Amino acid sequence: GAGVSQSPRYKVAKRGRDVALRCDPISGHVSLFWYQQALGQGPEFLTYFQNEAQLDKSGLPSDRFFAERPEGSVSTLKIQRTQQEDSAVYLCASSFRDRDEKLFFGSGTQLSVL
Amino acid sequence: AQSVTQLGSHVSVSEGALVLLRCNYSSSVPPYLFWYVQYPNQGLQFLLKYTTGATLVKGINGFEDEFKKSETSFHLTKPSAHMSDAAEYFCAVSLGDSSYKLIFGSGTRLLVRP
Repeated sequence: GAGVSQSPRYKVAKRGRDVALRCDPISGHVSLFWYQQALGQGPEFLTYFQNEAQLDKSGLPSDRFFAERPEGSVSTLKIQRTQQEDSAVYLCASSFRDRDEKLFFGSGTQLSVL
Repeated sequence: AQSVTQLGSHVSVSEGALVLLRCNYSSSVPPYLFWYVQYPNQGLQFLLKYTTGATLVKGINGFEDEFKKSETSFHLTKPSAHMSDAAEYFCAVSLGDSSYKLIFGSGTRLLVRP
């Protein structure tokens, strides 16, 4: 596709359930990022992949959060046993080169945990 | 820890008027500086990046960034606002060792009055 695609666009989950959020980066982009954006705040870094390697996961809030990019393209962010504080917009971004700071963002997945 | 502060969650200007969005950062070492823009229902879009040594950087859509090292601030300006400039603007910084990781401000929503 022409841009970064994220699905679903909206996700409502009952507290305690697991969710999986998908990101399709721009074809050929080496780097992939996940950010979390709470209401009224700027995006906060979660994790970074270079191809299939997860080089930085320091921003993941807890061990309930897990991200993977097994073939170096599509990535999935999984949240286990969701809590209300997990409610946010989850943004995926990709860039052509490693450490190329011009990021291309998807429209995000808005997660609401009830 | 590095922090980024955007001054004013909302800025309202008349069409044709000067646009000035302000951003401060805390760092003993000048970081890399960026502006991103988010139009309604769209992902964040790269606007411009500050290059070391420059005090004025030109971005897309007529926007410019002025860097003031002594004040640890950088401001986004546009001489004449257009209705299509209405959006949310985020400044961001990254540090050399982790230059892939953007630290965002909380955003400024620009309103343009006809």
